[in-house]
Amino acid sequence: EVQLVESGGSLVQPGGSLKLSCVASGFTFSNYWMDWVRQTPGKSLEWIGEINTDGSKTNYAPSIKDRFTISRDNAKSTLYLQMSNVKSDDTAIYYCTRLGGYFDYWGQGVMVTVSS
Amino acid sequence: DIQMTQSPASLSASLEEIVTITCQASQDIGNYLSWYQQKPGKSPQLLIHSATSLADGVPSRFSGSRSGTQYSLKINRLQVEDTGIYYCLQHYSAPWTFGGGTKLELK
Repeated sequence: EVQLVESGGSLVQPGGSLKLSCVASGFTFSNYWMDWVRQTPGKSLEWIGEINTDGSKTNYAPSIKDRFTISRDNAKSTLYLQMSNVKSDDTAIYYCTRLGGYFDYWGQGVMVTVSS
Repeated sequence: DIQMTQSPASLSASLEEIVTITCQASQDIGNYLSWYQQKPGKSPQLLIHSATSLADGVPSRFSGSRSGTQYSLKINRLQVEDTGIYYCLQHYSAPWTFGGGTKLELK
């Protein structure tokens, strides 16, 4: 059974940093591109970015570029999202997703709140 | 960026009714369109991929179609468990973009 489990969400002050993790199981992690998607309270979904299978290539949404960094550790089957210089607009539920041509599996999500 | 215009934003329908939700892409995206259902407090779940292909385990009352740059999700014979929010996603060109969502409730 494919499982994606996020962790690391918390309350963070504006301008601060936070690192989210997503542990994958039930499939060969190193064979898949992985993505992060967020959902702001009461609003739609927003794609944040993605990373290729060996971690050598990343793509980001313009709204977060240069502030967020996606990385992975295939030996640990873990995906990361390093968030820096966070803003109140970054308050959201963050999901990791598997890109199997489309987002075929999603984690349960983790809440990040940016507030002073 | 490719814009996905989803309609309606909300919908109230009766049990056993046929429901249709649409997404209009701002440009050609081929069949790179998927549909997701989200229940309260849960993550989105894949329903349809490649515009018309049913995901594993999804009831056959769900179906997807395409006409040019307009994509539709159809639910035949609406059931109680079909309530929730539905989203479309284009995965043709980055940044991948979602529709604004359709909240489906029972009348």
